[in-house]
Amino acid sequence: AQKVTQAQTEISVVEKEDVTLDCVYETRDTTYYLFWYKQPPSGELVFLIRRNSFDEQNEISGRYSWNFQKSTSSFNFTITASQVVDSAVYFCALGSSNTGKLIFGQGTTLQVKP
Amino acid sequence: DAGITQSPRHKVTETGTPVTLRCHQTENHRYMYWYRQDPGHGLRLIHYSYGVKDTDKGEVSDGYSVSRSKTEDFLLTLESATSSQTSVYFCAISPGDPALDTQYFGPGTRLTVL
Repeated sequence: AQKVTQAQTEISVVEKEDVTLDCVYETRDTTYYLFWYKQPPSGELVFLIRRNSFDEQNEISGRYSWNFQKSTSSFNFTITASQVVDSAVYFCALGSSNTGKLIFGQGTTLQVKP
Repeated sequence: DAGITQSPRHKVTETGTPVTLRCHQTENHRYMYWYRQDPGHGLRLIHYSYGVKDTDKGEVSDGYSVSRSKTEDFLLTLESATSSQTSVYFCAISPGDPALDTQYFGPGTRLTVL
């Protein structure tokens, strides 16, 4: 079965703190993709990153970084020096070539306080 | 930003009435999707389309039907709305494989069934 677990329902940090959002997935496929989306308070879903199962290199984009570890089936997302504008719900998703579907985790609500 | 619009953006209706939500894209993408978002469930796929007049069910398709008569338009119909269908509905598009290509989301439609 395909499954994505975001165990942290809500996280609250103070501005400038670093924060890591966890994502653990389950799949038996060898070919799959992992995604992160951001949903700010305005409600739209914004694509952040897509990573395939054969590329375990970590990725950094400004204050955002992603750590993909196949050994632990995790694809964690770290925000460095968080800002109030980072406050949002963040979704991790798994795309499996076997199911042909995108499966979402339940989301983590991040609140960054000034 | 991907050119995706949804209409209406908000709707309040009564139990038992039919409701149609429209998704329109200007990207000429092959795939289109309807998701619903509910607290604690993340996003769940209702139906998707892989071409004009080609559609398939997602994980929560009961009570919903879809149609796609043109590449750019994907309609979601609730034949007889129920209170359990109160939700936020998102349309998404992708150029190719639903599981491997990035899906881009519309702004969402908030539907309330009284």
